[in-house]
This record gives sequence, C-alpha cells and structure tokens, in this order.
Amino acid sequence: DTAVSQTPKYLVTQMGNDKSIKCEQNLGHDTMYWYKQDSKKFLKIMFSYNNKELIINETVPNRFSPKSPDKAHLNLHINSLELGDSAVYFCASSLGLSHSGNTIYFGEGSWLTVV
Amino acid sequence: GQQVMQIPQYQHVQEGEDFTTYCNSSTTLSNIQWYKQRPGGHPVFLIQLVKSGEVKKQKRLTFQFGEAKKNSSLHITATQTTDVGTYFCVQGAQKLVFGQGTRLTINP
Repeated sequence: DTAVSQTPKYLVTQMGNDKSIKCEQNLGHDTMYWYKQDSKKFLKIMFSYNNKELIINETVPNRFSPKSPDKAHLNLHINSLELGDSAVYFCASSLGLSHSGNTIYFGEGSWLTVV
Repeated sequence: GQQVMQIPQYQHVQEGEDFTTYCNSSTTLSNIQWYKQRPGGHPVFLIQLVKSGEVKKQKRLTFQFGEAKKNSSLHITATQTTDVGTYFCVQGAQKLVFGQGTRLTINP
C-alpha cells in the first residue's frame, strides 16, 4: 500500500478554473505538508499541518486553500488557476514536530498544467 | 530565512567516475538530511546527519557533516546509471528547507 497517496496524478485545466488535489497518508503521522516544485526543480514548502492545525503558511496566494479534515488527510484547493500555477505539487508527511530530524515521506506528486 | 546553498547545480559524469555535491549554510545546523529524486519521481529520504564531523556510508554513497555543522557533502564513488537524479540537502526542524538540488546525469 502506498504510504502517501495523492490524486490526481495529472491535471490539465484552463486558466480561471478551480481545482483540488487530495492527499492521504496511512503512516499514522501527525504532520502533513504541501510542497511545490517548479520547472527548475526547486522544492518549496507551501503549507504544513500538525494534527489538523495549520502551522506553516508560506507566502502563498490566498487562492490556495489547504484543508485537513483529519490528521491523515490534507487536501489542496486552488481557485482561479493561473499559468504560473503549473508545477508539480507534492504532498508529504512526517512523524511530527516533536521528533528530531522529522524525515519526510513524499507522495508521487500531482502534475498540474494550466493552459 | 535560513537557507542552504547547494553546489553544483548540475553535474554530468561518465559512468564509473566519482561525484560530489556540497551543501553550505551560513548558520549552524542542528541536523541535515539528504534526499534523492529520480527523474519523474518524488524525493526519497537517504540519510540524516546530526553530530559534528559525522560520516555515514551507504554502499557507494558517503555522507559527511562538517565539524562546525555548517556544511555537508554527499560523495558517490564509481557512479552507475541508477544514480541519475537530483540530490537535495534539507535542513530544519519544524520547517524543512530544501537546497536547490544538484542534478546528476551520467553518460553510460
């Protein structure tokens, strides 16, 4: 079974649309993340939730809204998609903030293309 | 914010040659992690270094943490085509910050 699973894997959509990416982890981890990887492969953290509570919110446009219904799920909703939103979005999880090192387990990524 | 600088950005080697990527920070790091991302794949954890001067090995991979805990390196001996990918160093606790990565390509 996949530890961190996200859907969809590929998404092609038009500018202005609203879309969601779902993520689930079955590792029993307390902390979940969304990372964005651009065409230059730079990985940047967007959000982090610990036990359903938002703890990191980088300077991300408010068109991006994460939602964590429980600690095993962290979904990402994007409103009014723009061309610059095209990227690979990785969901990830880790044991929790109290754990030293905090190894991250990544999902396989969602390739978003805005046309 | 705190950043780690990783060099080189790209490295192309002949299969069998060695490869090294370096990670540098202006501040002392509590720990550093290394991840590998294969082309089209997702980052996968390789190792974590915590102690000053620590050296860890995984088969042909050697990881080092500097004495001052401000730099780290990953060295691959005798590269193979399976080593192709981007190698990231990562620092932080609550907020894990990825370096820019070093993209390794190999000529078979």
